[in-house]
Amino acid sequence: ETGVTQSPTHLIKTRGQQVTLRCSSQSGHNTVSWYQQALGQGPQFIFQYYREEENGRGNFPPRFSGLQFPNYSSELNVNALELDDSALYLCASTSGTIYGYTFGSGTRLTVV
Amino acid sequence: EDQVTQSPEALRLQEGESSSLNCSYTVSGLRGLFWYRQDPGKGPEFLFTLYSAGEEKEKERLKATLTKKESFLHITAPKPEDSATYLCAVHSPWGSARQLTFGSGTQLTVLP
Repeated sequence: ETGVTQSPTHLIKTRGQQVTLRCSSQSGHNTVSWYQQALGQGPQFIFQYYREEENGRGNFPPRFSGLQFPNYSSELNVNALELDDSALYLCASTSGTIYGYTFGSGTRLTVV
Repeated sequence: EDQVTQSPEALRLQEGESSSLNCSYTVSGLRGLFWYRQDPGKGPEFLFTLYSAGEEKEKERLKATLTKKESFLHITAPKPEDSATYLCAVHSPWGSARQLTFGSGTQLTVLP
């Protein structure tokens, strides 16, 4: 059984650019959530996808958007990057119950 | 709004010196309290889920307990490999998303 896989592991972008981060959920998991973790802080909820539909969103602006595909993999897109978007972006998947969220190792995004 | 506060922010222990980490929470209808371990540059690793006051769970040198307002993670005779950041998170059922609200974590260092 594979876990949650995220790509790329590290990324450097310039302010104003756009970025796409990818996540392959754990086998059998149909729900994917994305979190942003700034240095020294706990993860903050961005949004969640269930069966290709967004079914929850945290306090993030519309320039943060996402997709979930039929195989339950997911993308996080961020437009018009700002310096404060520099963070570790985490993907988590679950089979649909609140038990056992599995997190990936994250993508470290640096905006310069 | 759900809130989670963890204390202390950082804790240094000698190998074998037992201690406890605290997680205080405010949530409208707790559906679950989660403890995760996070190593530097990695995603959170699931440790425990607690659902109701009075519940306890154990894993090796770790024991998690839950009351109506807080949770404790007790570490008995820690080893250097227990060094990590320990995150507490709560789940509440507002809206339709299974959002986890995290605390900022306790950074534990166990010295040999």
